[in-house]
Amino acid sequence: KAGVTQTPRYLIKTRGQQVTLSCSPISGHRSVSWYQQTPGQGLQFLFEYFSETQRNKGNFPGRFSGRQFSNSRSEMNVSTLELGDSALYLCASSLELAGITVTDTQYFGPGTRLTVL
Amino acid sequence: AQSVTQLGSHVSVSEGALVLLRCNYSSSVPPYLFWYVQYPNQGLQLLLKYTTGATLVKGINGFEAEFKKSETSFHLTKPSAHMSDAAEYFCAVRPKHHMRFGAGTRLTVKP
Repeated sequence: KAGVTQTPRYLIKTRGQQVTLSCSPISGHRSVSWYQQTPGQGLQFLFEYFSETQRNKGNFPGRFSGRQFSNSRSEMNVSTLELGDSALYLCASSLELAGITVTDTQYFGPGTRLTVL
Repeated sequence: AQSVTQLGSHVSVSEGALVLLRCNYSSSVPPYLFWYVQYPNQGLQLLLKYTTGATLVKGINGFEAEFKKSETSFHLTKPSAHMSDAAEYFCAVRPKHHMRFGAGTRLTVKP
């Protein structure tokens, strides 16, 4: 079974631009979560989607948004990019057949490294 | 709120030596705990997880961790380090929807 895939793997943008990152979960997984990883702040939760609905959101400004499609694929968008948005963005998927299942493992993709100049 | 604290941002061991990476949790209820590893320029890979049952959990690549409620700890160990174990390790707890990670411990293995 294929793992979580993220595209693109690398992106370079300039301040003020917007960017869209894509995540394809493991087949059959219904929950997709997004995390931002930076050297200073570590791994921080952005948002989580389940069956096309945002279930939970982290403490990020409204410039960060996301969505999930009916096939569970997810995208996140960052508008008006700032230098501080440079980070590795990780997507993770989990099965959650029974809805919220905190024991379910989250499987991570390789990430998209975003550099904002 | 449930959280984890990793003691030591950097750990260095010699090849063949014991690896011990420390993680303490803060929780008012029994937590579900995870250890992930991240190799350079890669995502996170699950090493092992504790949910319920046996407190000694065995994972991949020879790693194991023991859940100790009395010490609120979930330390990761490996009897004999290998050069390929050099990576960053994250302890995590999952209170509800998402994972909450520790700051990470970078493991260096010296030849």
